[in-house]
Amino acid sequence: GEDVEQSLFLSVREGDSSVINCTYTDSSSTYLYWYKQEPGAGLQLLTYIFSNMDMKQDQRLTVLLNKKDKHLSLRIADTQTGDSAIYFCAERTPGSSNTGKLIFGQGTTLQVKP
Amino acid sequence: GAGVSQSPSNKVTEKGKDVELRCDPISGHTALYWYRQSLGQGLEFLIYFQGNSAPDKSGLPSDRFSAERTGGSVSTLTIQRTQQEDSAVYLCASSPGISGNTIYFGEGSWLTVV
Repeated sequence: GEDVEQSLFLSVREGDSSVINCTYTDSSSTYLYWYKQEPGAGLQLLTYIFSNMDMKQDQRLTVLLNKKDKHLSLRIADTQTGDSAIYFCAERTPGSSNTGKLIFGQGTTLQVKP
Repeated sequence: GAGVSQSPSNKVTEKGKDVELRCDPISGHTALYWYRQSLGQGLEFLIYFQGNSAPDKSGLPSDRFSAERTGGSVSTLTIQRTQQEDSAVYLCASSPGISGNTIYFGEGSWLTVV
């Protein structure tokens, strides 16, 4: 079945790199996404990667995908206090009716210490 | 506006009453999703609309929940005879279509059932 797992908490120092990990089970996933959620707000799309790619870089963000191991990571370079939030990994699968819905992980709370 | 718009942003209702939550997707987006976010359950898929296709209702938790999308644009999620366990944030998202890669979320409607 479809399942997405993330570690629940990560704490880093300002200026360090943060790496948030995610594993998924559905090998038919088409796209994988990272969203950021700040307190009281909705989900902000950070980046996404097509399943036939290994890496995608967007400014301070680097996404790595290991399709063989079904492992996705998000690296944030030079982490700032404004990066403190909950980060959600999500897979988009064709599903039985090609719905394209997202299946989310539980979210990783990133705490950035000054 | 340019983003997904949801209303009301906050709603407190008495147990047993009906509520309606509204979503205005990004202009031109043919796909629309409803998700529910609660402390115990994380982000749950509820329903998905794509153009004129039959909606995917597989995530609706009970027959008290229904949604419609009029004219392929605005959507309304209706919860009848609300229960305390319906208290959650209801998030709407839209994307350009079945092949659209980007999925953008609104700020959510915070529902509290007392």
